[in-house]
Amino acid sequence: DVVLTQTPPTLSATIGQSVSISCRSSQSLLDSDGDTYLNWLLQRPGQSPQLLIYSVSNLESGVPNRFSGSGSETDFTLKISGVEAEDLGVYYCMQATHAPLTFGSGTKLEIK
Amino acid sequence: EVQLVESGGGLVQPGRSLKLSCAASGFTFSNYYMAWVRQAPKKGLEWVATISTSGSRTYYPDSVKGRFTISRDNAKSSLYLQMNSLKSEDTATYYCARREPFDYWGQGVMVTVSS
Repeated sequence: DVVLTQTPPTLSATIGQSVSISCRSSQSLLDSDGDTYLNWLLQRPGQSPQLLIYSVSNLESGVPNRFSGSGSETDFTLKISGVEAEDLGVYYCMQATHAPLTFGSGTKLEIK
Repeated sequence: EVQLVESGGGLVQPGRSLKLSCAASGFTFSNYYMAWVRQAPKKGLEWVATISTSGSRTYYPDSVKGRFTISRDNAKSSLYLQMNSLKSEDTATYYCARREPFDYWGQGVMVTVSS
């Protein structure tokens, strides 16, 4: 199975600060169809996960553009440019290139 | 507005069965692959099952293969998860989600497996 390693496990940020979360894969996530099925999700406290970024760098509709994704093959990053209070929660990367679909262990973002 | 509403959760004894349902609305259900994802208390996310648009193809991780069955009724815009031979480690909140790319999730339903 593909293992997704997220770092850091916890992150503490002030409002307005920019932060990055890393997601490293044990295998390349480049699919034979040319796409890379690496998504980023946010789970706010007490809520269901919500999609932020799909296929590495595509911003989901309605998601603020302070969120951005980058990377390729095995190394991916989610960046938040100017954290806001509503951004607190747990961030997960997930891959759907290889079966079984797997998730990272999560990065908890706390607001100072 | 897209909505996914799960139901059918509850407390069940080990070895027994339970069937979850997910009612979909706000989109053409038959056009999308669908999935179940679970989250044990205070833990991360785990994919449980995926079903193709027609229901002819289903996919499972080894942890539930042979015990869980995903199905759908496109006429009713409904997704199901039949869970048999339940174990304590199946205790979790179960979410239905629309694929690709997991852009909509239900609110989740809690399943507790305990004697």
